[in-house]
Amino acid sequence: AQSVTQPDIHITVSEGASLELRCNYSYGATPYLFWYVQSPGQGLQLLLKYFSGDTLVQGIKGFEAEFKRSQSSFNLRKPSVHWSDAAEYFCAVGPRGSNYKLTFGKGTLLTVNP
Amino acid sequence: GAGVSQTPSNKVTEKGKYVELRCDPISGHTALYWYRQSLGQGPEFLIYFQGTGAADDSGLPNDRFFAVRPEGSVSTLKIQRTERGDSAVYLCASSLTSDTGELFFGEGSRLTVL
Repeated sequence: AQSVTQPDIHITVSEGASLELRCNYSYGATPYLFWYVQSPGQGLQLLLKYFSGDTLVQGIKGFEAEFKRSQSSFNLRKPSVHWSDAAEYFCAVGPRGSNYKLTFGKGTLLTVNP
Repeated sequence: GAGVSQTPSNKVTEKGKYVELRCDPISGHTALYWYRQSLGQGPEFLIYFQGTGAADDSGLPNDRFFAVRPEGSVSTLKIQRTERGDSAVYLCASSLTSDTGELFFGEGSRLTVL
């Protein structure tokens, strides 16, 4: 069965600092990979996705993620965090052929200090 | 509407009661999904509709859960004989097609079963 592990439940960074959120997955083949963000009072929003090709994926709001097959990882990064990035971030995998059926990690809550 | 709309935003009910949760997807989106997010967990897939039909209901936990989408737009998730373990946020999402991996989520309906 597929699974997603986000090792960090809660991360605090200062505004302007760099950010890396970790995601590891377990899956029989290379799945489709996603990062979603959930801000207070808003629905989950897709930040970026990886299907194939270039393993460094650019997303919205200045985020990027790198797929590393050898490590089964898909870590999310941002060079300089803004206070508005405070939210909960979810990594997800979806099987090829039915990538609506996402398996989400438990999420990482990001706090941004001024 | 501009986004996915879910009603009610909050529902408190007693164990054993029947509950309906409504989802109004983004106009023109033929694919609709229900997910459930328990406290401290990521969302879990319940069911996927393509048009009026349930194309994949493999995530429904048991036969107390049922969902319909009679006209291919609004969907209703129905829970019979509610149990305390059904308490969660029920998320609805929609997309233009089922193969993009980009799901547009509503804010959810928080169900509390006393």
